[in-house]
Amino acid sequence: QVQLQESGPGLVKPSQTLSLTCTVSGGSISSGDYFWSWFRQPPGKGLEWIGYIKYSGTTYYNPSLKSRLTISVDTSKNQFSLRLSSVTAADTAVYYCARFGYCTPTSCYPDYWGQGTLVTVSS
Amino acid sequence: QSALTQPASLSGSPGQSITISCTGTNSDVGAYNYVSWYQQHPGKAPKLMIYDVTKRPSGVSNRFSASKSGNTASLTISGLQAEDEADYYCSSYTSSYTWVFGGGTKLTVL
Repeated sequence: QVQLQESGPGLVKPSQTLSLTCTVSGGSISSGDYFWSWFRQPPGKGLEWIGYIKYSGTTYYNPSLKSRLTISVDTSKNQFSLRLSSVTAADTAVYYCARFGYCTPTSCYPDYWGQGTLVTVSS
Repeated sequence: QSALTQPASLSGSPGQSITISCTGTNSDVGAYNYVSWYQQHPGKAPKLMIYDVTKRPSGVSNRFSASKSGNTASLTISGLQAEDEADYYCSSYTSSYTWVFGGGTKLTVL
């Protein structure tokens, strides 16, 4: 059973960089042609896809966040990470990591999710 | 990349059927058969309920069905049960490996 766990600071100051890590257990991040993804959900609001990465390092980002966003993978630690720069209060959200592992021949969908971690942007 | 449009809330009585709409554009919902639906209970991670417009993952009740016409996708829940009370989100592939979500629909089972 694959499990994902987000970790990182729960409070970030405005204009600083938000950094989160997702640790994958129960399976290797390098096995299978999966996308490893980040989502977020502001309090009381809807879901937003942030971006994803393959173990090879290929990334795809939400165009609205692309200029501030970096997603990276560390296969030796079975982790992938999110860095979002120049944050504002609008970046306050529960951040989820997930695996796009429910795949058909032409598409994949998220099947395993982390429990989510709240990141608050405030001085 | 604008969010897909869903009704903010819907309600139904146990045993009834409800349908949640999800309206996009001819750049997302209308362009691709990669619409999915997610159920989210309070404080929990989302759960995939429908993929590829109409397909159910194993383990998802056949009370959940979905369809698409033009730029609008729909999720129907038949035989409403108390456990179906949750937030529901639609999502569509847009282009270049990117995804967009709806604003979510809060379903109340009366």
